[in-house]
Amino acid sequence: DAGVTQSPTHLIKTRGQHVTLRCSPISGHKSVSWYQQVLGQGPQFIFQYYEKEERGRGNFPDRFSARQFPNYSSELNVNALLLGDSALYLCASSWEANQPQHFGDGTRLSIL
Amino acid sequence: QQPVQSPQAVILREGEDAVINCSSSKALYSVHWYRQKHGEAPVFLMILLKGGEQKGHDKISASFNEKKQQSSLYLTASQLSYSGTYFCGTEIDVGNFGNEKLTFGTGTRLTIIP
Repeated sequence: DAGVTQSPTHLIKTRGQHVTLRCSPISGHKSVSWYQQVLGQGPQFIFQYYEKEERGRGNFPDRFSARQFPNYSSELNVNALLLGDSALYLCASSWEANQPQHFGDGTRLSIL
Repeated sequence: QQPVQSPQAVILREGEDAVINCSSSKALYSVHWYRQKHGEAPVFLMILLKGGEQKGHDKISASFNEKKQQSSLYLTASQLSYSGTYFCGTEIDVGNFGNEKLTFGTGTRLTIIP
């Protein structure tokens, strides 16, 4: 079975632009979570969606938004990009909330 | 609220044992352990739930002390493949349920040398 897939793998944007990152969970997984990982640090929780509803939100500004589609895939949107948004964005899926999460390879976002 | 991991880094020779600790200031519902190799995604190792038993498989095991809000990961007879950064992810207890938000520690970098 395919694992969690994320696209694109790399992205370069400039300040003020917006970006959409995509995630396809493992087949059968209904929960998707998004994390931001800055070099040298652990992943920081951004959002969790379960059955298309937001179940949790981390301490990120409103410039960050997400949604989950009927097929359980998910998008993370970031508006008005700042230099500090440069990071690896990880998506993780699980069968249900509170279950082990399986991570995708991430999207590396660079802001110039 | 971020869990504190110790040590920050450790270097071992192949075959030696290691213990990585994760400590929280809040009551925990679950602790998740992951290993991340450079340039790769974190890989799930095990999950420990409040009231659950100590977990383990092969030479990697973990414990969860609910009273102290601490978890420890034990690596026995380490192998070269164990190298990487280990993260604990903690879920806060909100009245016998988890808050469904994983907060990760800053990580422990483990280097195994031949």
